[in-house]
Amino acid sequence: DQQVKQNSPSLSVQEGRISILNCDYTNSMFDYFLWYKKYPAEGPTFLISISSIKDKNEDGRFTVFLNKSAKHLSLHIVPSQPGDSAVYFCAASGALRSNYKLTFGKGTLLTVNP
Amino acid sequence: SQTIHQWPATLVQPVGSPLSLECTVEGTSNPNLYWYRQAAGRGLQLLFYSVGIGQISSEVPQNLSASRPQDRQFILSSKKLLLSDSGFYLCAWTYRGDRVTYNSPLHFGNGTRLTVT
Repeated sequence: DQQVKQNSPSLSVQEGRISILNCDYTNSMFDYFLWYKKYPAEGPTFLISISSIKDKNEDGRFTVFLNKSAKHLSLHIVPSQPGDSAVYFCAASGALRSNYKLTFGKGTLLTVNP
Repeated sequence: SQTIHQWPATLVQPVGSPLSLECTVEGTSNPNLYWYRQAAGRGLQLLFYSVGIGQISSEVPQNLSASRPQDRQFILSSKKLLLSDSGFYLCAWTYRGDRVTYNSPLHFGNGTRLTVT
């Protein structure tokens, strides 16, 4: 059973426009959500996160929004740059007996076209 | 600063051969350590995690095993590889005792690409 879902395998946007990556989760016990960015043949790098007591967290061009009632979060990148092209993973932690680990979605490949 | 090392970067092994992947962390003590795998077209799947020396939790039953012989060393092993073991293996760490939270994320190594032929 997939507890963290990224339903869009890929997304293509133009440089300078907004990129919106979506993530849904099913486990209401999750209370921390993280986004990771991954380039080919490299490990994922931490990008931005949010606690369930917040509905928005911003860091430069990156903003994460959390809608707890809908069990949905999204990552906004504004403006998008070609260097943002990568696979983005949504991850969650905090479920009962899962405090020490992250559950990941399958990822969304973002392509930013010049 | 903390760093995490994984080796080798790539590995091609025949079916039925043994496997040993090693991961070490520098710059911190008593980290929580993790092995994840990314199979083709799939997300990151947690295989094992460890909160201390000799303490291993297995998430997915399979023919892989993990060991933690030293505080900052984590080893992934197999006695006989299967074709389905092919994938990208990632070691990760976080601070000891910490929940994975918004300010204590997992930090990943650069991974090992394993191809079983």
